[in-house]
Amino acid sequence: EVQLVESGGNLVEPGRSLRLSCTVSGFTLSDYTLSWVRQAPGKGLEWIGFIRNRAFGGTTEYAASLKGRFVISRDDSKNIAYLQMKSLKIEDTALYSCTRFPDWGQGTLVTVSS
Amino acid sequence: EIVLTQSPDFQSVTPKGKVTITCRASQTVGTSLHWFQQKPDRSPKLLVKYASQSFSGVPSRFSGSGSETDFTLTIDSLEAEDAATYFCHQTSSLPYTFGQGTKLEIK
Repeated sequence: EVQLVESGGNLVEPGRSLRLSCTVSGFTLSDYTLSWVRQAPGKGLEWIGFIRNRAFGGTTEYAASLKGRFVISRDDSKNIAYLQMKSLKIEDTALYSCTRFPDWGQGTLVTVSS
Repeated sequence: EIVLTQSPDFQSVTPKGKVTITCRASQTVGTSLHWFQQKPDRSPKLLVKYASQSFSGVPSRFSGSGSETDFTLTIDSLEAEDAATYFCHQTSSLPYTFGQGTKLEIK
């Protein structure tokens, strides 16, 4: 059974950094492209970016508005993908989910507030 | 960036009724358009992939059609459990984008 479980969400102050994890099971992470998506309270879904599978070099793509602050990586030995976020802003407050089409995790909540 | 615009934003329908949700893309996405269902506090579930391909385990009352810029999700014989938010999602070009969602209420 495919499962994706996010963790690492927390309350953080503006300007700080945070790393989220996406632990997967039921498939080999390096064989698939994995995306991160977020949904701010009362807002629609926003694609953050993805990391390609190993066959495509494990390269990454990002939403233009987030490139430079958000970095996606993965540890194939642990079957975990990461979303490193820096210089967090209040508007980054959202539920963050990882997805390997068509499966999604439940998400982890990030709240940016002073 | 390709903008996906869904209509309506909200619809209330009686059980056994039929609903049609549309998703219009600001540029062509070919058939790389997918439909998801999301219930409160649950992760999204794929209903239709690549515009019209059914997905394993999804009831046959859910169907999709369209190509290029205009797409439709049709739900026949509505059941109470179909109350949810439905959204479209394009994977044709980066950045991937989502429709704003259509909230469906079953009266």
